[in-house]
Amino acid sequence: NAGVTQTPKFRVLKTGQSMTLLCAQDMNHEYMYWYRQDPGMGLRLIHYSVGEGTTAKGEVPDGYNVSRLKKQNFLLGLESAAPSQTSVYFCASSYSTLGNEQYFGPGTRLTVT
Amino acid sequence: KNEVEQSPQNLTAQEGEFITINCSYSVGISALHWLQQHPGGGIVSLFMLSSGKKKHGRLIATINIQEKHSSLHITASHPRDSAVYICAVLRSYNTDKLIFGTGTRLQVFP
Repeated sequence: NAGVTQTPKFRVLKTGQSMTLLCAQDMNHEYMYWYRQDPGMGLRLIHYSVGEGTTAKGEVPDGYNVSRLKKQNFLLGLESAAPSQTSVYFCASSYSTLGNEQYFGPGTRLTVT
Repeated sequence: KNEVEQSPQNLTAQEGEFITINCSYSVGISALHWLQQHPGGGIVSLFMLSSGKKKHGRLIATINIQEKHSSLHITASHPRDSAVYICAVLRSYNTDKLIFGTGTRLQVFP
């Protein structure tokens, strides 16, 4: 099992460009999450999904959109990138949230210039 | 004030020392997680606990629900334990999300 994978690993964007980050899991997990990690701050939830076809906003959803068309994939989109979105993005998945651990992907380092 | 506070923020130790990292939280929770983030960036889950104590190898995690406090202990520390240790809580009134602390950076020197 590959666990949770993320593509790409690194990306540099210019302000105003768009991109999509892909997260894939092969553990048949229902829940999937997108977090961002910034220096001096804890991981912050951007959006999450509790099952195929569902999405919900987390703490910092502005400027991002997500889709979960297939159970194994969770996509994070930036429609018009801004320098404030420079961060490391982590995807995670879990069977459920109650009493289950989250499995994290390796992260995507995004720089917006 | 953050809902999850960790102390210390940074910790250095000599190989073999006993290490304690603390996590305090201000909300009602249904579970608490300890995570480890290695210098390469990868994050792995170490423990999930809702009461008492858990042990895995040289790692021990405890939680006191009444005092809203958890500790992560590392016995006989080793340089490979050098990492950032992150505490996260599952709020009891919203069970879909974790709230993360900012982490404790541990460096163990030979």
